[in-house]
Amino acid sequence: AQSVAQPEDQVNVAEGNPLTVKCTYSVSGNPYLFWYVQYPNRGLQFLLKYITGDNLVKGSYGFEAEFNKSQTSFHLKKPSALVSDSALYFCAVRVDSNYQLIWGAGTKLIIKP
Amino acid sequence: SAVISQKPSRDICQRGTSLTIQCQVDSQVTMMFWYRQQPGQSLTLIATANQGSEATYESGFVIDKFPISRPNLTFSTLTVSNMSPEDSSIYLCSVRGSNTDTQYFGPGTRLTVL
Repeated sequence: AQSVAQPEDQVNVAEGNPLTVKCTYSVSGNPYLFWYVQYPNRGLQFLLKYITGDNLVKGSYGFEAEFNKSQTSFHLKKPSALVSDSALYFCAVRVDSNYQLIWGAGTKLIIKP
Repeated sequence: SAVISQKPSRDICQRGTSLTIQCQVDSQVTMMFWYRQQPGQSLTLIATANQGSEATYESGFVIDKFPISRPNLTFSTLTVSNMSPEDSSIYLCSVRGSNTDTQYFGPGTRLTVL
């Protein structure tokens, strides 16, 4: 079965420190991988995606993610966290030609001043 | 990216009534999606709505409960019918951007059923 896992319900990071939000996937075929962020009482905002090419993908707000095929992972990273990065982060993978996405459970990121 | 608006942004409804949620996009899009999300939880796809065809519903969702209209390439509605407190949730529409695999989301409609 195709799936996306975000193993951490919550990640706590001090402001200024690097952050990582983990995502692993299980799909047949080549994965199309996405990260979205959701601020309180807001819709989801697209951050970045991996389709093909360079394994390191850069996105909005200074975020980046590294596609690792051997580990079937697509972890979200940022070198220096801001308090304003505190939000709910979702990893998703496209599974078919209908462009439907399978969603991870979400990870709450808390950045402490 | 597409700019998407939803109406209403929130509503409180009585059990047994129906609510229609509107989704408007600033550009023509082929594929639109309707999701449900419990606060702080992941997204569950309700249906895919393509212009000119019947919506395709996911397992656990039926047309009688969640009728969808897609009259043109910039607009769609989702109706939550005969509501019960279990329908309390956030309802999100999204679109597939032109010439891209990326989905873009509206701000959501927060529904509370009493």
